[in-house]
Amino acid sequence: AQSVSQHNHHVILSEAASLELGCNYSYGGTVNLFWYVQYPGQHLQLLLKYFSGDPLVKGIKGFEAEFIKSKFSFNLRKPSVQWSDTAEYFCAVTPPGGGGNKLTFGTGTQLKVEL
Amino acid sequence: DSGVTQTPKHLITATGQRVTLRCSPRSGDLSVYWYQQSLDQGLQFLIQYYNGEERAKGNILERFSAQQFPDLHSELNLSSLELGDSALYFCASSRGQGSGYTFGSGTRLTVV
Repeated sequence: AQSVSQHNHHVILSEAASLELGCNYSYGGTVNLFWYVQYPGQHLQLLLKYFSGDPLVKGIKGFEAEFIKSKFSFNLRKPSVQWSDTAEYFCAVTPPGGGGNKLTFGTGTQLKVEL
Repeated sequence: DSGVTQTPKHLITATGQRVTLRCSPRSGDLSVYWYQQSLDQGLQFLIQYYNGEERAKGNILERFSAQQFPDLHSELNLSSLELGDSALYFCASSRGQGSGYTFGSGTRLTVV
């Protein structure tokens, strides 16, 4: 079945450590890719998105992601995390074909940054 | 404030009851999407409306229905509620194909 996979369910890092969260999708064809963040008790906020062009996408709060088409991946990175980055991170894809542009989400990665 | 307004923020109701969740999209956005977020199922797409018409359907139960009104606000109706319907229900809006989504703060539904 077509899907979005986030392999890291829980990640614990110390402040200033580097972060990389994996995201793989199984759709063929052109897709749009997103990373969303959900801080505790809050709504989902868009970190960054990729539609076309430069596969290295820069988002808000120092986050970036790289689209590697051959690997069907869109991994999220940050060189140095802060305690305030503690949140849940969701990768999402708008599949090719019909059905509007509904998002299909991965299962999320819970990131905890320790002081 | 994301610009997408959801009411109520919290709802506690008994099994078998019916509730209505409301979403007002961001100004200018024609599409409204409903998602259910639960611990065991994650974020599941329920249904999409575009300018008043149903555009796409996801894993929405027959007990659930939605509509989008001429002023573009949307309502999600959940009936014959079961304990397993307890979840966070998010609404999102967008301007159209290729644009991003803006999410509301969600309605936390607890069925007791």
